[in-house]
Amino acid sequence: ETGVTQTPRHLVMGMTNKKSLKCEQHLGHNAMYWYKQSAKKPLELMFVYNFKEQTENNSVPSRFSPECPNSSHLFLHLHTLQPEDSALYLCASTQGHPVGGMNTEAFFGQGTRLTVV
Amino acid sequence: EDKVVQSPLSLVVHEGDTVTLNCSYEVTNFRSLLWYKQEKKAPTFLFMLTSSGIEKKSGRLSSILDKKELSSILNITATQTGDSAIYLCAAGSNYKLTFGKGTLLTVNP
Repeated sequence: ETGVTQTPRHLVMGMTNKKSLKCEQHLGHNAMYWYKQSAKKPLELMFVYNFKEQTENNSVPSRFSPECPNSSHLFLHLHTLQPEDSALYLCASTQGHPVGGMNTEAFFGQGTRLTVV
Repeated sequence: EDKVVQSPLSLVVHEGDTVTLNCSYEVTNFRSLLWYKQEKKAPTFLFMLTSSGIEKKSGRLSSILDKKELSSILNITATQTGDSAIYLCAAGSNYKLTFGKGTLLTVNP
């Protein structure tokens, strides 16, 4: 257990469905991240939240919508996805800093394996 | 655009061998270099390096950062089958980690 919990662990959804991925951390961290891991590609950073504020959005399509209601919870809302969005979605957290910087290691959740059919 | 390149992409060795994995980075506002081991899903943390030339060691694993060369190496001595995994290198800058593709290490008995 890393202190970062993701649910669900597996998700199969149709292209017209709406679903949400959830991430929760119990480490007292205040920066949270969504990464996408496709086969044979590096981990791709999608979104970063630091102290509940979104600090990075890496040109992610609008069919992915993040939400960070507090420093412990992060959601990724999904709608009208495409088959190429099938991947492992990893959430991570670090001890962020209000004026920038990350000076501790990132802890990852176990990921959600998403399949879009 | 921030970039991290790892080499080799894959490596097959026999138990007992020593391996060296390489990582080079180009990131804006570089703060740290991190190594992770990914066996099934969640990458697990190995090392975080912020100072050049200072080796960090954990059992048979060790790593060092060269800020002048913008690179790092991860050494594993006396490899075991349990070391088989993807080893990920990441460069930390403001708020984010940029990952390389990883090195797939296979240790055969």
